[in-house]
Amino acid sequence: EPEVTQTPSHQVTQMGQEVILRCVPISNHLYFYWYRQILGQKVEFLVSFYNNEISEKSEIFDDQFSVERPDGSNFTLKIRSTKLEDSAMYFCASIGGQLNEKLFFGSGTQLSVL
Amino acid sequence: ELKVEQNPLFLSMQEGKNYTIYCNYSTTSDRLYWYRQDPGKSLESLFVLLSNGAVKQEGRLMASLDTKARLSTLHITAAVHDLSATYFCAALTLGNEKLTFGTGTRLTIIP
Repeated sequence: EPEVTQTPSHQVTQMGQEVILRCVPISNHLYFYWYRQILGQKVEFLVSFYNNEISEKSEIFDDQFSVERPDGSNFTLKIRSTKLEDSAMYFCASIGGQLNEKLFFGSGTQLSVL
Repeated sequence: ELKVEQNPLFLSMQEGKNYTIYCNYSTTSDRLYWYRQDPGKSLESLFVLLSNGAVKQEGRLMASLDTKARLSTLHITAAVHDLSATYFCAALTLGNEKLTFGTGTRLTIIP
């Protein structure tokens, strides 16, 4: 089965530092997403991306967050100045857009902000 | 705004028993997903339900959808220890393709 790959699997950073989380979605997919999950809590939507632009974002996705698809394959999430409360598992996901398709999730990046 | 609620939040059951997890959503949704998550792991897609009355089964798990009641169920038959995990339902509305997750049900199967 095709898969979404994410790197790194773990990222430790100091508060105030910038981090970039990387994702390679499934190659023929059209919609891309970032979700996050704070330990033991539910999965929260951050942002969706279609046709090289943000299609929707949540209130969590403030000015400190940005997404890019720089080269047609990678899909990145940047946090400019990390805060303690940004510590979470970040999942990338993609879907082709057909009605009966699964939304495929990557294995996640565990971000720890110290 | 679409809201998704699951119950129960925690479920502890003995091997061999049957049980049902419920998922309610607040507004019209075009797709309903069920995911499994093991501790520290990613989300594994179990089912995608598209239409009213849809029923899908895989092994000991069966999912159904009632769009009129805005309710989906995940039924576990003759539970085994390997089914211990957290189960999430999620609803999606076409147009924005944003998947809204429920709170999750942490299922523990006791031998």
